[in-house]
Amino acid sequence: AQRVTQPEKLLSVFKGAPVELKCNYSYSGSPELFWYVQYSRQRLQLLLRHISRESIKGFTADLNKGETSFHLKKPFAQEEDSAMYYCVRAGGNQFYFGTGTSLTVIP
Amino acid sequence: GAGVSQSPRYKVAKRGQDVALRCDPISGHVSLFWYQQALGQGPEFLTYFQNEAQLDKSGLPSDRFFAERPEGSVSTLKIQRTQQEDSAVYLCASSRGRNTEAFFGQGTRLTVV
Repeated sequence: AQRVTQPEKLLSVFKGAPVELKCNYSYSGSPELFWYVQYSRQRLQLLLRHISRESIKGFTADLNKGETSFHLKKPFAQEEDSAMYYCVRAGGNQFYFGTGTSLTVIP
Repeated sequence: GAGVSQSPRYKVAKRGQDVALRCDPISGHVSLFWYQQALGQGPEFLTYFQNEAQLDKSGLPSDRFFAERPEGSVSTLKIQRTQQEDSAVYLCASSRGRNTEAFFGQGTRLTVV
């Protein structure tokens, strides 16, 4: 099965603390991976993609083929980071979504 | 508008009623996707269009679900004889091509009563 696994449905951290949202995928080849974010009452939007290797809003994600992971990290969480985060793998004719992690940053 | 537009935003249907959900993709985007998102779940793939061709409908849950994109732009997802289990948010996304960034609409929340 072409799975994307996000083990944490809910994650709470204090403002200024580091945050890591976990993502594991099952695919033997070279995956095309993204993180999408959905802020309250807004549409899903791209946060970053692994191929660009850039940092967006302080977030980074590194592809680890050995561990088949693509964890999303930020060293200092901000209140405006509170949102739903989806790890996504592109493949064939579709995007495969994880179940999402709801991040709450506590002031 | 610059983004993907979906209408209606909310739809309440009586069980057994037919519904039609509309998606206006970003102009020029070749690829169009429909997803179904149940409460507390990630979006699940329904179908994929490349221009007007429906290349993949493997995610459609039953033959009550039908999608079309006759002129390669606007798409309609039709659900016949709606059931309670069809209650979900239906998301449309478009992209320039396969595996490129997908832009999502706000979704249509369907509630079947």
